[in-house]
Amino acid sequence: EAGVTQFPSHSVIEKGQTVTLRCDPISGHDNLYWYRRVMGKEIKFLLHFVKESKQDESGMPNNRFLAERTGGTYSTLKVQPAELEDSGVYFCASSLSREGETQYFGPGTRLLVL
Amino acid sequence: AQSVTQPDIHITVSEGASLELRCNYSYGATPYLFWYVQSPGQGLQLLLKYFSGDTLVQGIKGFEAEFKRSQSSFNLRKPSVHWSDAAEYFCAVGARGGYQKVTFGIGTKLQVIP
Repeated sequence: EAGVTQFPSHSVIEKGQTVTLRCDPISGHDNLYWYRRVMGKEIKFLLHFVKESKQDESGMPNNRFLAERTGGTYSTLKVQPAELEDSGVYFCASSLSREGETQYFGPGTRLLVL
Repeated sequence: AQSVTQPDIHITVSEGASLELRCNYSYGATPYLFWYVQSPGQGLQLLLKYFSGDTLVQGIKGFEAEFKRSQSSFNLRKPSVHWSDAAEYFCAVGARGGYQKVTFGIGTKLQVIP
């Protein structure tokens, strides 16, 4: 069974540019989560999809971040325009729809904004 | 709000020595508890999790963790460390009552010396 995949693995962009991160969850997982780790800090929750609906987006930093999940399958996280403080590792996770189900994480996308 | 404290940012142990990584959490009730590991260049891998029942939890790679309600702790242990255990370890909590976001500690970087 394929795990959670993320693309790209690394991205280096200049301040003001746009970047789109993609996450493909494990097949059959209705729950999809985005997290971010800024260097030296904790891994922080960004948002949670149940199928194509946003269940909780309380962790989204500001309106420069836009997440979508088309058809309840893969998800994209767009940052527009990117700022220096957006640099970090963006993790995606997915889980089944049962209480306490383990979240399985992808390898992350390392974003560097110059 | 739930929170996780990992008091040790870096730990160095000799190969073959025992290991204990500390984790304390703050939550109004008994949460779900997890330990994840991130090896260099890899994503987050679940080592073990506590949902209910036996407070001593066995995980992969020879790790175990003990949930102590009275101390709000969930320390990770391994009797004999291998060089391949060098990685960053994250303690995390999840709220009961649904498939919700996970709150992570800041992580403990483990260095293993020959």
